[in-house]
Amino acid sequence: DTAVSQTPKYLVTQMGNDKSIKCEQNLGHDTMYWYKQDSKKFLKIMFSYNNKELIINETVPNRFSPKSPDKAHLNLHINSLELGDSAVYFCASSQMTSVTYEQYFGPGTRLTVT
Amino acid sequence: LAKTTQPISMDSYEGQEVNITCSHNNIATNDYITWYQQFPSQGPRFIIQGYKTKVTNEVASLFIPADRKSSTLSLPRVSLSDTAVYYCLVVGDYGQNFVFGPGTRLSVLP
Repeated sequence: DTAVSQTPKYLVTQMGNDKSIKCEQNLGHDTMYWYKQDSKKFLKIMFSYNNKELIINETVPNRFSPKSPDKAHLNLHINSLELGDSAVYFCASSQMTSVTYEQYFGPGTRLTVT
Repeated sequence: LAKTTQPISMDSYEGQEVNITCSHNNIATNDYITWYQQFPSQGPRFIIQGYKTKVTNEVASLFIPADRKSSTLSLPRVSLSDTAVYYCLVVGDYGQNFVFGPGTRLSVLP
């Protein structure tokens, strides 16, 4: 059973389009995250939700909007896609009250904007 | 947030022990040291976490000196499948806001 799953795995689209990436975790965790890993392989946190409430919102353009319908899902919607949005996007989850700082990452979604 | 510094890359041969050192000079009292591993085309995976002295699990050991300004991840008898990027993170009271540095790219050669 996949702990953290993302769909789609690959996404190729043109500039200006709107797209969504879905994430689901079946670990019963209360916190979920979105990370962006660019071509230089730097991994940066974008958003974090705890019990469906936004708790971390790094400097991310307003074109990116996370949505958490419930604790098990955190979707990422991107409006007016730009070339610079091309990257691998990782979803992750964790339990805030855990004794370890362990986050479980999904397989990633490779977004290519042409 | 405590900044970490680790080597950009390392090479090793199969069967050798690999030690990757991370510097975190401004670590706070309540901070923990955590290491993650990332294979190509996969998300990072938690390896080990420690506060002080030595921690060992089935994958690795983590050595932390008394001043906690550095830590060393030790991988015993590496194999080709240990080729990956290894990230050292300092995490603490600010919660789960992880700051990943560039990591150490470990290449295990036959």
